[in-house]
Amino acid sequence: DAGVIQSPRHEVTEMGQEVTLRCKPISGHDYLFWYRQTMMRGLELLIYFNNNVPIDDSGMPEDRFSAKMPNASFSTLKIQPSEPRDSAVYFCASSFYGGNTEAFFGQGTRLTVV
Amino acid sequence: GENVEQHPSTLSVQEGDSAVIKCTYSDSASNYFPWYKQELGKGPQLIIDIRSNVGEKKDQRIAVTLNKTAKHFSLHITETQPEDSAVYFCAAPPRGSQGNLIFGKGTKLSVKP
Repeated sequence: DAGVIQSPRHEVTEMGQEVTLRCKPISGHDYLFWYRQTMMRGLELLIYFNNNVPIDDSGMPEDRFSAKMPNASFSTLKIQPSEPRDSAVYFCASSFYGGNTEAFFGQGTRLTVV
Repeated sequence: GENVEQHPSTLSVQEGDSAVIKCTYSDSASNYFPWYKQELGKGPQLIIDIRSNVGEKKDQRIAVTLNKTAKHFSLHITETQPEDSAVYFCAAPPRGSQGNLIFGKGTKLSVKP
């Protein structure tokens, strides 16, 4: 397996624009996680899915953020409208059995909102 | 909810020396404690983990120890090499949820040749 695949690797956008980040988890993994990493706040969980169903979205900062998982092999994280404070590295990760097993991270998407 | 504290935030050692990173957690029900290594420009990668039924686990130059009474666990790297330079994160599952992990703030380890 190629691992968790995220796209794009880098995204630069203007404030107010819509941004969509994409993730393909490892085949067979039942859990998918979206994390945001910044210097100030470290690695924060935004939302996670189990069998394509959102389980905990309490980490989503506000209504401008939304995430979907239409099938077992694809997920999106959307920010609309984007703001400069959304600039961060966004990671997608997947695992077999959730928090008690290894999470495999993608390479991340570095988002810059200007 | 679970709170994971990690120390130190930065650590500099000479090649060949040992490095120790410590984490404390708040939820006594937590039973899984992984350590991740993040190299520049990459996502975190699991390097070792320990479950609550053991006190120590080793894998070549790295080891993790767990003290459930004191609610802390530590990463030990012996005979450090320049390629060990990276950011290391500890983690624990939050109370009431076995689905995700709460990560510490990370330790930037620099190994000087």
